Amino acid sequence: DTGVSQDPRHKITKRGQNVTFRCDPISEHNRLYWYRQTLGQGPEFLTYFQNEAQLEKSRLLSDRFSAERPKGSFSTLEIQRTEQGDSAMYLCASSFPRAFHRTGELFFGEGSRLTVL
Amino acid sequence: ELKVEQNPLFLSMQEGKNYTIYCNYSTTSDRLYWYRQDPGKSLESLFVLLSNGAVKQEGRLMASLDTKARLSTLHITAAVHDLSATYFCAVVTGTASKLTFGTGTRLQVTL
Repeated sequence: DTGVSQDPRHKITKRGQNVTFRCDPISEHNRLYWYRQTLGQGPEFLTYFQNEAQLEKSRLLSDRFSAERPKGSFSTLEIQRTEQGDSAMYLCASSFPRAFHRTGELFFGEGSRLTVL
Repeated sequence: ELKVEQNPLFLSMQEGKNYTIYCNYSTTSDRLYWYRQDPGKSLESLFVLLSNGAVKQEGRLMASLDTKARLSTLHITAAVHDLSATYFCAVVTGTASKLTFGTGTRLQVTL
């Protein structure tokens, strides 16, 4: 297990289509986060899971966005009826809370870049 | 609402020079991160500062944290072209341990 992996790395879609991104965290990490980064900005928090429970959602996460982590392992982020404003890099990160509080380690994946035409 | 501000937003510097990037945040936190991001890439962790007065160094980069002043600095010594990237600081808040990122500082090191 080499780290957090995300798929696809790039997605180009037409406005109005649905897209889904997948994140596989590091295997023993039970916390998983989604962030969104638009061009020229810092990443913004979207949501996070502890195991399979979605514990917090940002107000940035409109009704068109849904995230799941059904078995507490991988997570999916779906965007329905995409809009041009959804074009961004979607970043996934994971951590193990005890290690996080001791060392602060938070591991980011390579990101999934979405372009909505 | 937590605000994290970095300055400068853009920095052009010559190789061999020294400079400091500043990160100010608006609420109490005892944990601060510095990340590097190359164009089109994800975030590379540089430093995690876990307490007031923490100082960490790696190569030509040194980061420090003053929680009382709500200030962190990233100091660059004798810059080289390979350091050209965008640098973000981020502060942990809340029980979710989520990060709030700064605006980023785009560093360009010229020959």
